[in-house]
Amino acid sequence: KQEVTQIPAALSVPEGENLVLNCSFTDSAIYNLQWFRQDPGKGLTSLLLIQSSQREQTSGRLNASLDKSSGRSTLYIAASQPGDSATYLCAVHHGGATNKLIFGTGTLLAVQP
Amino acid sequence: GAGVSQSPSNKVTEKGKDVELRCDPISGHTALYWYRQSLGQGLEFLIYFQGNSAPDKSGLPSDRFSAERTGGSVSTLTIQRTQQEDSAVYLCASSLIAGTYNEQFFGPGTRLTVL
Repeated sequence: KQEVTQIPAALSVPEGENLVLNCSFTDSAIYNLQWFRQDPGKGLTSLLLIQSSQREQTSGRLNASLDKSSGRSTLYIAASQPGDSATYLCAVHHGGATNKLIFGTGTLLAVQP
Repeated sequence: GAGVSQSPSNKVTEKGKDVELRCDPISGHTALYWYRQSLGQGLEFLIYFQGNSAPDKSGLPSDRFSAERTGGSVSTLTIQRTQQEDSAVYLCASSLIAGTYNEQFFGPGTRLTVL
């Protein structure tokens, strides 16, 4: 059974700092991995999707990496801003007949001005 | 263009009542998903539609939960005889296709409170 874990559960940093969020999964047979952010009381906003054949994806100040063999992904946020404060979720997708995403436990990020 | 929309945004109901939650996927998206987010359980998959058929209903927690999708577009999630443990945020997502490239886009959710 696939289990997805995110570390740390919560993180508080001063504005301008670079930071790394971690995601690990137990079954490396994934099709892709998706990072989301969730603002309080809101739905999920897709940030980056990495396919299993890719090693990393970049969007603006965000960079996500994927090491399938070790079951790990990281989300790097450069020059953090207070507007980055949110819960960050990673999710893995197994594909095939079951197209569901299996979500991690989330990291609550607070960027202090 | 328009994203995934869900209605109502909030629903308060009494225990034992039935509720219907609606999802409008992004136009042209063939795959539709329902998830539930509750305290202590995180985000969990409920059901997946490809077109109008539901090849994966494995996440539905009990037979009180059902969902349908008509015309390959709008989907309705129905919870019969609601219980307090059904209180959660119900999220809908859609993707262009179901397959290896499967970026899912989420709606704002429906917050269900069962008193």
